[in-house]
Amino acid sequence: GEDVEQSLFLSVREGDSSVINCTYTDSSSTYLYWYKQEPGAGLQLLTYIFSNMDMKQDQRLTVLLNKKDKHLSLRIADTQTGDSAIYFCAEKDGYGGYNKLIFGAGTRLAVHP
Amino acid sequence: GAVVSQHPSWVICKSGTSVKIECRSLDFQATTMFWYRQFPKQSLMLMATSNEGSKATYEQGVEKDKFLINHASLTLSTLTVTSAHPEDSSFYICSASPQRALSPSSYNEQFFGPGTRLTVL
Repeated sequence: GEDVEQSLFLSVREGDSSVINCTYTDSSSTYLYWYKQEPGAGLQLLTYIFSNMDMKQDQRLTVLLNKKDKHLSLRIADTQTGDSAIYFCAEKDGYGGYNKLIFGAGTRLAVHP
Repeated sequence: GAVVSQHPSWVICKSGTSVKIECRSLDFQATTMFWYRQFPKQSLMLMATSNEGSKATYEQGVEKDKFLINHASLTLSTLTVTSAHPEDSSFYICSASPQRALSPSSYNEQFFGPGTRLTVL
């Protein structure tokens, strides 16, 4: 079945860039997502990329997709303490809103002064 | 726009009782809603997909008689944990998918509720 994997923990200094990596197995993925979860809260969509794109930039966020290697990354420029959270990578197979998401285990980002 | 609420935000109950959790899309209609559970420091596990007016589709290993899902309207889905036991203690999160696109991207987006923390004593 489909699988999504992420490294579990990342620690960066405030002001540095953070890069969170994700790999997936489903070659039929249509959309790939990055969600942010703060303690005790639900998930907030940060950004997404369509599978025929290589890169997407949205302010401090840059998503890179290597479809051949099934590798997705999220780069956060000028990381701030407010960016400390768990970041989930997710993939969707299909175009409809009824298609389910497959989540990775989440990467806990810790930002220190 | 695109707000999903859950009620209650937390609940503590005794073992053997049933607990109902509501998921509402506040400003849009959702044909499909999803229920997830999340254990501490773990990922979200999809429990079931709920479509308005039809039976929910449960993921493998999820007991449909224990986790009753009702999607009675385009803005409300409920999850009832029946005869709850301590091992059912978890963070339950719902998400909703718009019936119509709210923006160029939202047709493919799930909007998540804030979650409900269930503790069974």
